[in-house]
Amino acid sequence: EDKVVQSPLSLVVHEGDTVTLNCSYEVTNFRSLLWYKQEKKAPTFLFMLTSSGIEKKSGRLSSILDKKELFSILNITATQTGDSAVYLCAVDYGGSQGNLIFGKGTKLSVKP
Amino acid sequence: DGGITQSPKYLFRKEGQNVTLSCEQNLNHDAMYWYRQDPGQGLRLIYYSQIVNDFQKGDIAEGYSVSREKKESFPLTVTSAQKNPTAFYLCASSIGPATEAFFGQGTRLTVV
Repeated sequence: EDKVVQSPLSLVVHEGDTVTLNCSYEVTNFRSLLWYKQEKKAPTFLFMLTSSGIEKKSGRLSSILDKKELFSILNITATQTGDSAVYLCAVDYGGSQGNLIFGKGTKLSVKP
Repeated sequence: DGGITQSPKYLFRKEGQNVTLSCEQNLNHDAMYWYRQDPGQGLRLIYYSQIVNDFQKGDIAEGYSVSREKKESFPLTVTSAQKNPTAFYLCASSIGPATEAFFGQGTRLTVV
């Protein structure tokens, strides 16, 4: 059975901390892994990863994929209260049942 | 502005009623999706459509129906057969497989 597992499910940190969010997967026909940020309603796209070992970076956020060990991490440095959100990991496996399978998300709370 | 619009934002339904959630996109995307989000469950795929006049069931299609008569529109009907419809519903679209999905703001459905 295809699945995507995120950890931790929730995390509380203080402003300025660095956090690492994890996403492991077991899918057939892997095509890509995507990270989304969901603050209140609509998830917004962060990164798409298709190749192992190539870091994607956007400001204080970065992500990398390990296709051998079947996981990805999302790093956020110098966290701010505006980083508080649910971070969703999804895997595009190109299956007949639609394209994306989502993890349950990691709820990040950044305290002032 | 290009985007994906869901309406209404909040919807209340009496037991036994069918309700229809609207999803419209002006991004010229071929693929559209409906997800259900419950607390602690992540996003689960209800239906998806890769092209006009064609759609496929996702993992939790029972009690739901869709249509795709126009490229821009992908309405979801929650029927009385759906035993636990209270949830947050997200519509998404993408250019096609292996590309990022863009999400609408969601509709929160509550059965009263």
